[in-house]
Amino acid sequence: GAGVSQSPSNKVTEKGKDVELRCDPISGHTALYWYRQSLGQGLEFLIYFQGNSAPDKSGLPSDRFSAERTGGSVSTLTIQRTQQEDSAVYLCASSLVGGQPQHFGDGTRLSIL
Amino acid sequence: AQKVTQAQTEISVVEKEDVTLDCVYETRDTTYYLFWYKQPPSGELVFLIRRNSFDEQNEISGRYSWNFQKSTSSFNFTITASQVVDSAVYFCALSDPNSNSGYALNFGKGTSLLVTP
Repeated sequence: GAGVSQSPSNKVTEKGKDVELRCDPISGHTALYWYRQSLGQGLEFLIYFQGNSAPDKSGLPSDRFSAERTGGSVSTLTIQRTQQEDSAVYLCASSLVGGQPQHFGDGTRLSIL
Repeated sequence: AQKVTQAQTEISVVEKEDVTLDCVYETRDTTYYLFWYKQPPSGELVFLIRRNSFDEQNEISGRYSWNFQKSTSSFNFTITASQVVDSAVYFCALSDPNSNSGYALNFGKGTSLLVTP
């Protein structure tokens, strides 16, 4: 597609369930980023992929969060045993390479009941 | 540590007024990038501009202009003759110098701009 695609656009789940968020970057973009946007914390960086590799996972909020990228394209962000504080909009962005302007998807709005 | 401050939380103007959004940043790095993004009510973050720390030339794009001053660590954004469609949240951001983060963005808290007819 022409832009970054994220799915689902909305996700409502019960506390304790696992969720998987998907990001399909712009074709040809080697760099992929996950951010989280919440009222209290603003926009926070979570993790970056160059190709299929994530050099630094320290931005992930807890060990319940994990992410992977396969084939240098689609990425998934998985949250296990969700908590109410995980409620936020999860944004994915991609760029040609790290440091170039990032282009964002519409985000996944995650609500934990 | 890096920090981006957007002191104006909300601004309200009447259409056709000029408006300036302030951005002040802190960094110890000599090489960095500054960005502005627009987030309309639809939610998608839209890239507006990237400025290299070595390039202090002001930039103009249509009704938008940016004033980068290293001496005051500021990167302000002016909209001339504002329009209702300019209503959005505007974010200033600074690139993380750590290549392991892919120069990820450190965002300010954003300024919500409302333009009324």
